Amino acid sequence: GAVVSQHPSWVICKSGTSVKIECRSLDFQATTMFWYRQFPKQSLMLMATSNEGSKATYEQGVEKDKFLINHASLTLSTLTVTSAHPEDSSFYICSAPQGDYEQYFGPGTRLTVT
Amino acid sequence: GQNIDQPTEMTATEGAIVQINCTYQTSGFNGLFWYQQHAGEAPTFLSYNVLDGLEEKGRFSSFLSRSKGYSYLLLKELQMKDSASYLCAVVDSNYQLIWGAGTKLIIKP
Repeated sequence: GAVVSQHPSWVICKSGTSVKIECRSLDFQATTMFWYRQFPKQSLMLMATSNEGSKATYEQGVEKDKFLINHASLTLSTLTVTSAHPEDSSFYICSAPQGDYEQYFGPGTRLTVT
Repeated sequence: GQNIDQPTEMTATEGAIVQINCTYQTSGFNGLFWYQQHAGEAPTFLSYNVLDGLEEKGRFSSFLSRSKGYSYLLLKELQMKDSASYLCAVVDSNYQLIWGAGTKLIIKP
């Protein structure tokens, strides 16, 4: 099946700094990618839809100036958490659709803000 | 509002069969997914149903009734590695994925 990678797998940063997370589709092109956040013992929450060549679409309540998304190419989307705070600590997961309905998920990035 | 309900936790015995139910109320319906998620990992795709009926794939089967807003995931011949969370997700009329909170399945020897 299709493979989606994320980098880094985990990151610890200090409060106030910015962190960039990469999502890559390794063997297929993705004009759209999705970014999710998952807090412990909770469901995946869609943050935004990343669109290649255009602006990302953010879900209600997600600050677009804080969570910067860039879909630089058909295989790469990046999420930058700016001025991170401890409450941003979470598991961030990207996914890319392929075909009519399949969604392939990246392995996730665990962010800890101290 | 949109809502997906799943049991929070279930326990089953190795070698047995378990059925995880999912009921939904969404604005429109364009399919239902089941995903498996091990702790600390991203979800992996199990099944997709858009028409009523049962879809069988090895030890896992998924059933859908659109008129009842109901689906279940059936796991047979349970193995210890099946211990995980099972997420139900519905595609609504805007082609957005609406996620359930997941069912934690605990397999005992």
